[in-house]
Amino acid sequence: DGGITQSPKYLFRKEGQNVTLSCEQNLNHDAMYWYRQDPGQGLRLIYYSQIVNDFQKGDIAEGYSVSREKKESFPLTVTSAQKNPTAFYLCASRDRALVGPQHFGDGTRLSIL
Amino acid sequence: AQSVTQPDIHITVSEGASLELRCNYSYGATPYLFWYVQSPGQGLQLLLKYFSGDTLVQGIKGFEAEFKRSQSSFNLRKPSVHWSDAAEYFCAVAGGGADGLTFGKGTHLIIQP
Repeated sequence: DGGITQSPKYLFRKEGQNVTLSCEQNLNHDAMYWYRQDPGQGLRLIYYSQIVNDFQKGDIAEGYSVSREKKESFPLTVTSAQKNPTAFYLCASRDRALVGPQHFGDGTRLSIL
Repeated sequence: AQSVTQPDIHITVSEGASLELRCNYSYGATPYLFWYVQSPGQGLQLLLKYFSGDTLVQGIKGFEAEFKRSQSSFNLRKPSVHWSDAAEYFCAVAGGGADGLTFGKGTHLIIQP
């Protein structure tokens, strides 16, 4: 079955380190998204990509970076510039040709040691 | 810019009782509306969506929602809840500048035995 795979499920980072969260999809979707979820805050958009080799900042992009070298993959790097990185991170994808719902991965929980 | 308001942060319902979760949106054009459910530590699962046509839409797990343009609402309902319905519920609207979804902050549903 097609879907979105996020890895790892849990990730720990020391202060000052960069970490990369993986997101892979086999749905053949053009558009991919990264959201951050904090308790009581809902989902906030970090970055999105509508096509390979192109991406745009969302509402809270500071301290994060992304790449989109392949259609299937949209990794997110949490840099040391992100002052409060502890959160639940969700990756999503959508068939850009349609107005439709996004499909979500199961998330990665990032914690600071 | 569009927005979504879920007025209830927490709702407690007895098992077997009916449920209504409120969602109000702000959007200039015809909205595309969604309800998602999230179990703890998991991604989001689509319950139902409204694009056009019949304003009462049926979804999975026995849920339905009614679109009321005059009230800018898209409330989620279920006639009889089960303990397995305990989760976080998110309302979302599509069509924003990020070509993605704008989410409400969620409603946490607690089921009493």
